[in-house]
Amino acid sequence: KQEVTQIPAALSVPEGENLVLNCSFTDSAIYNLQWFRQDPGKGLTSLLLIQSSQREQTSGRLNASLDKSSGRSTLYIAASQPGDSATYLCAVRGTGGFKTIFGAGTRLFVKA
Amino acid sequence: DTGVSQNPRHKITKRGQNVTFRCDPISEHNRLYWYRQTLGQGPEFLTYFQNEAQLEKSRLLSDRFSAERPKGSFSTLEIQRTEQGDSAMYLCASSLVGGPPNEQFFGPGTRLTVL
Repeated sequence: KQEVTQIPAALSVPEGENLVLNCSFTDSAIYNLQWFRQDPGKGLTSLLLIQSSQREQTSGRLNASLDKSSGRSTLYIAASQPGDSATYLCAVRGTGGFKTIFGAGTRLFVKA
Repeated sequence: DTGVSQNPRHKITKRGQNVTFRCDPISEHNRLYWYRQTLGQGPEFLTYFQNEAQLEKSRLLSDRFSAERPKGSFSTLEIQRTEQGDSAMYLCASSLVGGPPNEQFFGPGTRLTVL
C-alpha cells in the first residue's frame, strides 16, 4: 500500500530565503509525481509534474526532483516571497491504476 | 472560464439529509476524479471516471455515496443520509488521456458541513 509522507509539516522562513520541501513514498512503482499548491479554503493548483522516467522539472523559481529508487522527491523554491505562503502537497500516482495518493502537505509561511 | 468548476461552493445540511454536488471538468478532458479532504490532511481519492465509465472506486466510498457521469461530461456526487463525519471539502479534478502528461487539474471544491 502506497504511503506518502511530507516533511516538515510546517515551515516559517524570512522572505528571500531558498527552501526545500521533502516528499517520500513507500512504493517506487510510480507512474508520476505531482506537486500542488493549496491556499486556505481553496482548491489545488498544479505546480510541477514529474513522469517516472524523469529526474526533475523546473518552472520559474520552482524545481522538483525525483529519485524513484530512494522513494523521494524534493521541491526547491528559490528566493521565497510572501505570496508563496500556502500549503504544498505532493501526490503520487501508481502504475496499477489511476488512484492518486497525497501527502498531508507542508504549510509554508514566508515572512515579509 | 475554462477551468474545472464545482457547484455549490458551500453546502450546509442537517444530518440525515441527501446532498448532491456537481463537477464540470475542463472541456474535452475525458478523465474525472473525486476526492475528499478534511482539515489538515491531503485529499483522499474517492473515485475515477474515464468518459462515462466509473473505473475505480475507493473503499472510502460507502454505500451512501454514489457518483455518476452520464454523458461523459459533467459528474455528480451524491451522499445519502449524511452524517457529521461526512463534513469535508469535496474536490473534483480532470485530466486528458494522452495529454501531456496526464496532469490533473482541480476545481475549487465544495465544502460540506453536516450539522
